[in-house]
Amino acid sequence: DGGITQSPKYLFRKEGQNVTLSCEQNLNHDAMYWYRQDPGQGLRLIYYSQIVNDFQKGDIAEGYSVSREKKESFPLTVTSAQKNPTAFYLCASSSRNSATNEKLFFGSGTQLSVL
Amino acid sequence: DQQVKQNSPSLSVQEGRISILNCDYTNSMFDYFLWYKKYPAEGPTFLISISSIKDKNEDGRFTVFLNKSAKHLSLHIVPSQPGDSAVYFCAATGSARQLTFGSGTQLTVLP
Repeated sequence: DGGITQSPKYLFRKEGQNVTLSCEQNLNHDAMYWYRQDPGQGLRLIYYSQIVNDFQKGDIAEGYSVSREKKESFPLTVTSAQKNPTAFYLCASSSRNSATNEKLFFGSGTQLSVL
Repeated sequence: DQQVKQNSPSLSVQEGRISILNCDYTNSMFDYFLWYKKYPAEGPTFLISISSIKDKNEDGRFTVFLNKSAKHLSLHIVPSQPGDSAVYFCAATGSARQLTFGSGTQLTVLP
């Protein structure tokens, strides 16, 4: 079964701690994305990567970092600089070669909470 | 500055009736629009899309209408079913090919 796997489903962060959210896809998609969802708000783009070893900041990149060492993997680190990290984090991917590559495929999300 | 707006946070309809979800946008450079459906604690799933060269796209019970002059699109679900109860996100993209999402509308279909 092809898809996007996010882990863990729930994550707790202590004050001053960095935490890393995992995102793996076996859809052979070139592009991967991280979004954040807060209650009553739309999805906001944190970072995206169109190709291995390259990534770009989205609208709310401050306090986050990413890497794209493999096509299949796009982990997101929430650093201690992110002062309001509690949110639902969604990873997505899309095929760059698709005429409509905006059809994102999403993982099931990670709920991050601060202790 | 919200470029994609869904002004109704919630909508309730009776099973079998029509559900109409609305979305407004401000960026005239947007040329492709999508609707996503999301259940609690899950990722959104693609539902239907429309290009700016069209004014209507239909897929089964779902139809999306685009009014470019009004910068408005709507999603019609006919007939509505209890399983349609979810949050619906409108999204738009332009030449940058990055999606901008609305804040979502919670649809509840009452049996």
